[in-house]
Amino acid sequence: EVQLVESGGGLVKPGGSLRLSCAASGFTFTSYSMNWVRQAPGKGLEWVSIIGIDTKTIYYADSVKGRFTISRDNAGNSLYLQMNSLRAEDTAMYYCANSLPGASLDSWGQGTLVTVSS
Amino acid sequence: EIVMTQSPATLSVSPGERATLSCRASQSVSSNLAWYQQKPGQAPRLLIYGASTRATDIPARFSGSGSGTEFTLTINSLQSEDFAVYYCQQYNSWPRTFGQGTKLEI
Repeated sequence: EVQLVESGGGLVKPGGSLRLSCAASGFTFTSYSMNWVRQAPGKGLEWVSIIGIDTKTIYYADSVKGRFTISRDNAGNSLYLQMNSLRAEDTAMYYCANSLPGASLDSWGQGTLVTVSS
Repeated sequence: EIVMTQSPATLSVSPGERATLSCRASQSVSSNLAWYQQKPGQAPRLLIYGASTRATDIPARFSGSGSGTEFTLTINSLQSEDFAVYYCQQYNSWPRTFGQGTKLEI
């Protein structure tokens, strides 16, 4: 059974930093690209970032480019999102999701909540 | 950036009836279109990929169609568990983009 478990969310002040983690199991981690998708309270889904199998293929949404950094540890089956210079508009549930290269988001974690507020 | 537009925003349907949800892309995404279902307090779940292929364990009452810029998700014989929010997403180009969602209500 595929399991994706996010952690690291919490309350942070504007301008602060947070590092999210996603522990993966139940599938061949090194065969899948990994994504972060977020959802602000009461709003729709926003794709945030993707990292490819080779760790070199990386894309970001314009809204986070230059502030967020995605990375993965293939040996430890883990995905990360380093979030710097956080803003109130970054407040959201953050989901990790796997995808085959060039494909849809197959499995999703339950999310970790990030709240940016003073 | 490709803009995905879903209609209607809210669709009211009775159990047992058919629901038809639409998704339009601002430019062609070929068949690189997925549909997701999200229930309150839950993560989204993949329903359809490649515009028309059901994901694993998705019931046959869910079907997708379309290509290019116009797509449809049809749900036949609505069950109580189908009332949720549905999102379309293109994965043809970067950044990946979602529609704003259609809420399917009783």
